Amino acid sequence: QVQLVESGGGVVQPGRSLRLSCATSGFAFSSFVMHWVRQAPGKGLEWVAVIGYDGSNKNYADFVRGRFTIARDNSKNTLSLQMNSLRVEDTAVYYCARAAVHCSGGSCYGDDNFDNWGQGTMVTVSS
Amino acid sequence: DIQMTQSPSSLSASVGDRVTITCRASQTIYTYLNWYQQKPGKAPKLLIYAASSLQSGAPSRFSGSGSGTDFTLTISSLQPEDFATYYCQQSYNAPPYSFGQGTKLEIK
Repeated sequence: QVQLVESGGGVVQPGRSLRLSCATSGFAFSSFVMHWVRQAPGKGLEWVAVIGYDGSNKNYADFVRGRFTIARDNSKNTLSLQMNSLRVEDTAVYYCARAAVHCSGGSCYGDDNFDNWGQGTMVTVSS
Repeated sequence: DIQMTQSPSSLSASVGDRVTITCRASQTIYTYLNWYQQKPGKAPKLLIYAASSLQSGAPSRFSGSGSGTDFTLTISSLQPEDFATYYCQQSYNAPPYSFGQGTKLEIK
């Protein structure tokens, strides 16, 4: 079955760095667009970043652009998020999520919704 | 960026009730609207995509409708496991993929 398992969260001081990983299994990782989504304590969902199939296409939310870097290793079926210059407001549970592929009538298409998620990893930025 | 607004922010209902949650986009998103369910301490689950298509594995009591700027998620007969927080998400003018602020569905 499809599995996504995040790791790398923890407590870090403002201005420091942290690298999150998402280990995947149960599907053809290189055939799926992947995302990071976060959720601050008691708050709603917030999209963070997306990466295309081969890693050449990436995009970021304005509030992380220039500080965070999304990457993937298709040989190891892993997704990562390098987070630099962390701020208190980056405190959140970070989820990796797979972009859905929907199939109908024998044809399939990639979509911009998220059909499988990891369990999340907590990042706390505090002095 | 497109802003998504859900109403109500919270809702109390009883098992067996029919419940409707509304999501409004700040500009037209055609039918690029998705719904998720999230239970405390758990990751969200995709329920509805493209405004009205039921995700594989989601119960048939969930349905979605709407187009343009106004959308609804309906639960035809609430079950105990449906008490959760629901989020809408637009995927038309993206990235960024904006979410609504959430609707918490509680037991009356």
